[in-house]
Amino acid sequence: GAGVSQSPSNKVTEKGKDVELRCDPISGHTALYWYRQRLGQGLEFLIYFQGNSAPDKSGLPSDRFSAERTGESVSTLTIQRTQQEDSAVYLCASSRDRGNQPQHFGDGTRLSIL
Amino acid sequence: GEDVEQSLFLSVREGDSSVINCTYTDSSSTYLYWYKQEPGAGLQLLTYIFSNMDMKQDQRLTVLLNKKDKHLSLRIADTQTGDSAIYFCAEMEGGSYIPTFGRGTSLIVHP
Repeated sequence: GAGVSQSPSNKVTEKGKDVELRCDPISGHTALYWYRQRLGQGLEFLIYFQGNSAPDKSGLPSDRFSAERTGESVSTLTIQRTQQEDSAVYLCASSRDRGNQPQHFGDGTRLSIL
Repeated sequence: GEDVEQSLFLSVREGDSSVINCTYTDSSSTYLYWYKQEPGAGLQLLTYIFSNMDMKQDQRLTVLLNKKDKHLSLRIADTQTGDSAIYFCAEMEGGSYIPTFGRGTSLIVHP
């Protein structure tokens, strides 16, 4: 596609439920990032995928968070047993490869935990 | 660890110039970026500069880098109401692949 696509754009769920967020990167972009943006805050790095290499999971805040990516295509971020503190906008970005290539962002998924 | 600081708010009158400032701590920062985020949208890359440059100009945007003071600024000439958004500064070390973002500066343009 022309840009990074994320779905759903909004998600409201009850505390304790699992949620799955989806990201479609730009075609041909081998690098994919997930970030969390809390209200009024900067971006918090979560996880990074580069091609078929092992992902960098160093930013995942707890074992309730996991992400998958098949090859250089779609990625899903899963949050299990959601907590109110998980409420945030989850942004996905992709770039041509690792290094200095600029990241292209999706519009994010706004997650609200009741 | 690395830290990127920005002031949280800036208010300017339409037609004036805006200057958004950013400081960073990582002396090995090689790439410095400015992103714009409009309400309900992701971040849009505006411009970026390499650490071996002092200045970069792109239409109404001018980026100045003072590497000695680790200070980066974004000047927007003839600011318009459509420029109202949150502007994020980010830096990345050469060889790294995870940029560090500031908390963003909310630019408010009033008539």
